[in-house]
Amino acid sequence: DTAVSQTPKYLVTQMGNDKSIKCEQNLGHDTMYWYKQDSKKFLKIMFSYNNKELIINETVPNRFSPKSPDKAHLNLHINSLELGDSAVYFCASSQDEGGRTNQPQHFGDGTRLSIL
Amino acid sequence: AQSVTQLDSHVSVSEGTPVLLRCNYSSSYSPSLFWYVQHPNKGLQLLLKYTSAATLVKGINGFEAEFKKSETSFHLTKPSAHMSDAAEYFCVVSEGRGTASKLTFGTGTRLQVTL
Repeated sequence: DTAVSQTPKYLVTQMGNDKSIKCEQNLGHDTMYWYKQDSKKFLKIMFSYNNKELIINETVPNRFSPKSPDKAHLNLHINSLELGDSAVYFCASSQDEGGRTNQPQHFGDGTRLSIL
Repeated sequence: AQSVTQLDSHVSVSEGTPVLLRCNYSSSYSPSLFWYVQHPNKGLQLLLKYTSAATLVKGINGFEAEFKKSETSFHLTKPSAHMSDAAEYFCVVSEGRGTASKLTFGTGTRLQVTL
């Protein structure tokens, strides 16, 4: 059973297109995240949602729009893709609630986005 | 603001010899620290975490880390390396943000294990 699953695993598209990445977790966690890993393997948080509410939004261009239809899903939509968006995008989840933050995060296997 | 510094971008050891991956942190309060491992084309897997309990933390696959406040360090060690340990390792500091946690990652250390 995959705990945090992302689709698609690979995404190759042209500059200017709009694309979405989906993420689902079956761990019953309340909090979900999106991270970007660049070509030098540096990881940086983009967004975090808790039970469909946006909690963390880190200096990300507004071409990136997360959407959380329910607490088990957090999708990432990207408009007008640019060359610099090429990266690996990771979804994660954790059970941060009731004042118990800093819980371990569980990661998906990543979506490798390549912009031509 | 909190940060972590991984002092080595690449470490190479022989199979069966000890592993030491170094990490220093900066935090204005008592930090929560983690080590994650990333195998090729995979997501990140938690190795161990420190959250102000015992300063020597044991993790999976024989790894452990010691929190040293006086040195602001959280180095990862393993007594005997195995070929399957070859991967990218990330030291991470966590900051609670209401009902979420913001992770700040180090730049990673690539561990190579040779025969």
